[in-house]
Amino acid sequence: LAKTTQPISMDSYEGQEVNITCSHNNIATNDYITWYQQFPSQGPRFIIQGYKTKVTNEVASLFIPADRKSSTLSLPRVSLSDTAVYYCLVGDIRMDTGRRALTFGSGTRLQVQP
Amino acid sequence: KAGVTQTPRYLIKTRGQQVTLSCSPISGHRSVSWYQQTPGQGLQFLFEYFSETQRNKGNFPGRFSGRQFSNSRSEMNVSTLELGDSALYLCASSFGDSQETQYFGPGTRLLVL
Repeated sequence: LAKTTQPISMDSYEGQEVNITCSHNNIATNDYITWYQQFPSQGPRFIIQGYKTKVTNEVASLFIPADRKSSTLSLPRVSLSDTAVYYCLVGDIRMDTGRRALTFGSGTRLQVQP
Repeated sequence: KAGVTQTPRYLIKTRGQQVTLSCSPISGHRSVSWYQQTPGQGLQFLFEYFSETQRNKGNFPGRFSGRQFSNSRSEMNVSTLELGDSALYLCASSFGDSQETQYFGPGTRLLVL
């Protein structure tokens, strides 16, 4: 199965821009990349999804290079409430069955300081 | 529109028992996926159901099973509970296309003693 790799943790200050990168070397041609945010004892919350180049919504931007082997989640001007774990999700094909399995990254724990 | 709901929210069981968890997807969603989350292993995919059929399966033993009903509600069952099954079990629903956004419920926290 394709593996995703993210930094374990990151620290930032309020008002700064935060960039979190996820590596996914074995991403399949048809796979999208999705990022989620999770607070303690809650289910993950969708942030953004993209296939290539750049996607922007009201909370974040997602940058995907041409080879799609990585993606970067960009959070502009973070606040204390952005302290959470951020996961990237890439669908991948199981070679033995040909069926799609979903792989979450290890997650990046973002700590925003005042 | 109501979100994904999961019941119960908290559960305590003893080793050897079995447990059934329930998930009600967002109205109109036909796909329900289940995940296990533990501090050591992170978020791991269990299985996905679509139109009452299991469409995808992760690497979990046969003690973990599920089903989906005609109204898209899903149940997950774990038999012969082990201490290591203590985890947050998350359910996510979507329309059913393989790449669209999944929406997660609040989870069921299972403690096995």
